[in-house]
Amino acid sequence: QVHFIQSGAEVRKPGASVKVSCKVAGNSLSEFSIHWVRQAPGKGLEWMGGFDPEDVQINYAQKFQGRVTMTEDTSTDTASMELSSLTSEDTAVYYCVAGSGVPRPDDAFEIWGQGTMVTVSS
Amino acid sequence: EVVMTQSPATLSMSPGERATLSCRASQSISNNLAWYRQTPGQAPRLLIYDASTRATGIPARFSASGSGTEFTLTISSLQSEDFAIYYCQQYNNWPPITFGQGTRLEIK
Repeated sequence: QVHFIQSGAEVRKPGASVKVSCKVAGNSLSEFSIHWVRQAPGKGLEWMGGFDPEDVQINYAQKFQGRVTMTEDTSTDTASMELSSLTSEDTAVYYCVAGSGVPRPDDAFEIWGQGTMVTVSS
Repeated sequence: EVVMTQSPATLSMSPGERATLSCRASQSISNNLAWYRQTPGQAPRLLIYDASTRATGIPARFSASGSGTEFTLTISSLQSEDFAIYYCQQYNNWPPITFGQGTRLEIK
């Protein structure tokens, strides 16, 4: 069974950067199109960006353009999301997610990591 | 950007009752819609994809329908674990992928 195992909770000061990792266990990273979704405390789900297998590129939400970088290391089956210039509004749980079948551009998110809490506070 | 609007914001029901949740897209998304259930402290779980197909392991009390801009999730007989927050999501027209604001299903 496939699991996404995320790195632990982080605390950062405003203006700093954070990098969250997501290791694929039970399969290869190359079998998935990884996306990142975040959820601020008491709020809804917000898509940040993800890999489009049709265009073979990572697409980012406009809100995060220039501030987020998503990368993949197939040698370690680990995906990462780095967010810079943090503010208190970035305090949230960050999830790596993916569909479970053959990667396709129009797919729901069946697999979720356990989430990583990022707290931004001075 | 496709805006997803869920209604109602909160639904108060009793165990064993039938619940109907709605989701509307601001433009046609074909059948590229998913439903998720989230319980406190947990990651969301996929219930339905492609508007009407139950995900692996999802019980038959969950059913869904719709296409284009109007979608419905029905839970035929509410169990204790169903009192949670439900989100719809479109993945037809992206970026961005967008979620509804959620419907809270609470015990009456």
